[in-house]
Amino acid sequence: KNQVEQSPQSLIILEGKNCTLQCNYTVSPFSNLRWYKQDTGRGPVSLTIMTFSENTKSNGRYTATLDADTKQSSLHITASQLSDSASYICVVPYSSNTGKLIFGQGTTLQVKP
Amino acid sequence: NAGVTQTPKFQVLKTGQSMTLQCAQDMNHEYMSWYRQDPGMGLRLIHYSVGAGITDQGEVPNGYNVSRSTTEDFPLRLLSAAPSQTSVYFCASKGRVGTEAFFGQGTRLTVV
Repeated sequence: KNQVEQSPQSLIILEGKNCTLQCNYTVSPFSNLRWYKQDTGRGPVSLTIMTFSENTKSNGRYTATLDADTKQSSLHITASQLSDSASYICVVPYSSNTGKLIFGQGTTLQVKP
Repeated sequence: NAGVTQTPKFQVLKTGQSMTLQCAQDMNHEYMSWYRQDPGMGLRLIHYSVGAGITDQGEVPNGYNVSRSTTEDFPLRLLSAAPSQTSVYFCASKGRVGTEAFFGQGTRLTVV
């Protein structure tokens, strides 16, 4: 079954600290993996897209890694800020010719001052 | 560039009422989709479209209809609202394979 699972479900950290969010997927065939940030009351916004051949990709303080062999991805947030408080969603396309996406349940991150 | 525009942002319906959630995109994207988001669950696909005139069912299509008469618009119709349809609904559009999907701001629907 094509699935995307994320951990932890929720996380609380202090401002300035680093954190890592995990994503495991069983979607096949695999083409790419996306990380989205969803602020409360808003739609998801793309942080990064990683293709099969990419191991690491950075977007400011966000660094995503991908291990296609173990079907795992992580999102590392460095020097967290209060504005990082949001849900982070891992997404894998289910079918390349339909645009269908499979969403993880998300990790809710709360950054406290 | 407005991106994906959803209306309304909030809506309260009585059980049995019908309504249409509007979604429009100005990026000339082929793929458009409707999702619902419920607490503790990932976004679930309701219906999707790969181009004007073409629609198909997603994971949870019951109680919803869609049409795609133009590339820009992809409305979602609730035929007879039920309390189980209380949710936050997101419309998304996407271009060619490998590109990111863009989401609307969401519609928070409550059915009483």
